[in-house]
Amino acid sequence: DQQVKQNSPSLSVQEGRISILNCDYTNSMFDYFLWYKKYPAEGPTFLISISSIKDKNEDGRFTVFLNKSAKHLSLHIVPSQPGDSAVYFCAASGGSQGNLIFGKGTKLSVKP
Amino acid sequence: NAGVMQNPRHLVRRRGQEARLRCSPMKGHSHVYWYRQLPEEGLKFMVYLQKENIIDESGMPKERFSAEFPKEGPSILRIQQVVRGDSAAYFCASSLATGGGQETQYFGPGTRLLVL
Repeated sequence: DQQVKQNSPSLSVQEGRISILNCDYTNSMFDYFLWYKKYPAEGPTFLISISSIKDKNEDGRFTVFLNKSAKHLSLHIVPSQPGDSAVYFCAASGGSQGNLIFGKGTKLSVKP
Repeated sequence: NAGVMQNPRHLVRRRGQEARLRCSPMKGHSHVYWYRQLPEEGLKFMVYLQKENIIDESGMPKERFSAEFPKEGPSILRIQQVVRGDSAAYFCASSLATGGGQETQYFGPGTRLLVL
């Protein structure tokens, strides 16, 4: 019973173009969503988050969009750079829960 | 280094031995979380602790696993009588004591446990 789903295991994008990573969730109690980036043999690095009271949050090249009615969020990276190549995890928390529920990740490859 | 620290980074144990994983949260953080990642999977929540208290251990296996976060010193995740299925990457995260659930968690580099 996966509450947070990342349906694309991998994504390949050309350098300079936009990368769009998608995430769906099922639990309507989730009210805080985060994206993490992870390199092999390292811990997840926090990228950007969004509260359920917003529908967009932007930080430099990274923008997260939240569509609550569709229970869907996406991470846009513009422009994509080779250093962005990593596994990206979507995570959610909500209610009184402090713990994060993670998706299985999407491996992004940005080709020069 | 003001980040979350974990040690050891790699740990090899034989079946039946004990594994102890340590985590020091970021400076000023009093909430600690442990997660486990199996190959090709996302991170799975195990336990949430504050100083001297276990807040939520709903993700922790009922047997052989325990966690603590003492008043002084790092948080410890302890696995007794390890089995091959315990082989995984174990990540610790910490957050500020702001409450309300909307807290950003910052992760350590992880401990990779291999059970032979």
